[in-house]
Amino acid sequence: LAKTTQPISMDSYEGQEVNITCSHNNIATNDYITWYQQFPSQGPRFIIQGYKTKVTNEVASLFIPADRKSSTLSLPRVSLSDTAVYYCLVGPHGSSNTGKLIFGQGTTLQVKP
Amino acid sequence: NAGVMQNPRHLVRRRGQEARLRCSPMKGHSHVYWYRQLPEEGLKFMVYLQKENIIDESGMPKERFSAEFPKEGPSILRIQQVVRGDSAAYFCASFMGDKYNEQFFGPGTRLTVL
Repeated sequence: LAKTTQPISMDSYEGQEVNITCSHNNIATNDYITWYQQFPSQGPRFIIQGYKTKVTNEVASLFIPADRKSSTLSLPRVSLSDTAVYYCLVGPHGSSNTGKLIFGQGTTLQVKP
Repeated sequence: NAGVMQNPRHLVRRRGQEARLRCSPMKGHSHVYWYRQLPEEGLKFMVYLQKENIIDESGMPKERFSAEFPKEGPSILRIQQVVRGDSAAYFCASFMGDKYNEQFFGPGTRLTVL
């Protein structure tokens, strides 16, 4: 499975847009890019998933360049409640993987007032 | 529609005792994963089960750990003769259909071994 690299931590202020970039140079053709959010003392929560170009939902946007060697999670106008750890994962979509998610260290986002 | 449920939320055991962790997946989900999270670390895959079958247990220690997902009832992760290094948060996750990457996680069981 492709290894991912993302910043250990980031700071932001309320109301700002936050962009967290993840590098995955060895991404395979059948790999998808998925982001999870984890609050302290809770299980991770699926945020967004994409394969190429741009994906947007009510929570975030995911930008994936043509070479797919990196991706950027964009959180618009963050609030204090967005303080969490954000994990970038890459892996195939479907039974060929047995579905296990490979989590790295994640990026700890601290939103300040 | 209830989410993934885990109990107990907190479990304290002394070294050498047994720990039993339970997970009820979301309604309609027949796939369950168990992950372990050590303090200040990311989650590590342990085992993947479908009803009555272990599909992948490559992340689970060969000794003292076992998991099951019976036809009826919750999935059970069992740790025998616990040691202090087993202290961690244990999460289970489930998903529907072929959406392997979109797993729904429970709140976790925090195991403390004294």
